[in-house]
Amino acid sequence: AQSVAQPEDQVNVAEGNPLTVKCTYSVSGNPYLFWYVQYPNRGLQFLLKYITGDNLVKGSYGFEAEFNKSQTSFHLKKPSALVSDSALYFCAVQGGTDSWGKFQFGAGTQVVVTP
Amino acid sequence: ETGVTQTPRHLVMGMTNKKSLKCEQHLGHNAMYWYKQSAKKPLELMFVYSLEERVENNSVPSRFSPECPNSSHLFLHLHTLQPEDSALYLCASSQDGAGTYNEQFFGPGTRLTVL
Repeated sequence: AQSVAQPEDQVNVAEGNPLTVKCTYSVSGNPYLFWYVQYPNRGLQFLLKYITGDNLVKGSYGFEAEFNKSQTSFHLKKPSALVSDSALYFCAVQGGTDSWGKFQFGAGTQVVVTP
Repeated sequence: ETGVTQTPRHLVMGMTNKKSLKCEQHLGHNAMYWYKQSAKKPLELMFVYSLEERVENNSVPSRFSPECPNSSHLFLHLHTLQPEDSALYLCASSQDGAGTYNEQFFGPGTRLTVL
């Protein structure tokens, strides 16, 4: 079975400060990890993914994420947050040899960036 | 139109009504998905279609009936729904197959309210 946890319902940060959104996972086999963002009244939008290789993954809109196998984590980061980054962020995992297309999503973390 | 489109964007229906949600992808993908998004809960994968064949049905009640007539179109037929079925229904598509881990592209969703 695979699962993903986002321990924070909401993250508040001031504009210009670093932003971190936490994600931990549990899979049998190699993990394939994704981050998505959802703006109000919109579908989910892909930000970045880790499949293999370098543990630091860079994605859209200045976001990056670090894969940490020992801590089973895949935290999303942005060095300097913008008000326009306020949205709902989802971590997702695929794992196992027969799990293509079968994402397991976290419950989401609401990010609020204040001016 | 580009990406993944969904119609209608909003739907209000009584418990005895029959309605259908429509999804169309313009990305040339070979897999399509239906998700249910309820507040404060992880996205729930409902159905997966690959090459127009249903490959996953996550114990969804029979009052939800999917149809995939071709690789670009996906429908979700609704009948005798319950108020707890009120949610945002998201369609997604991807280019997938065994051994691949590609991101999914989401439509804007249909906000369904069951009275």
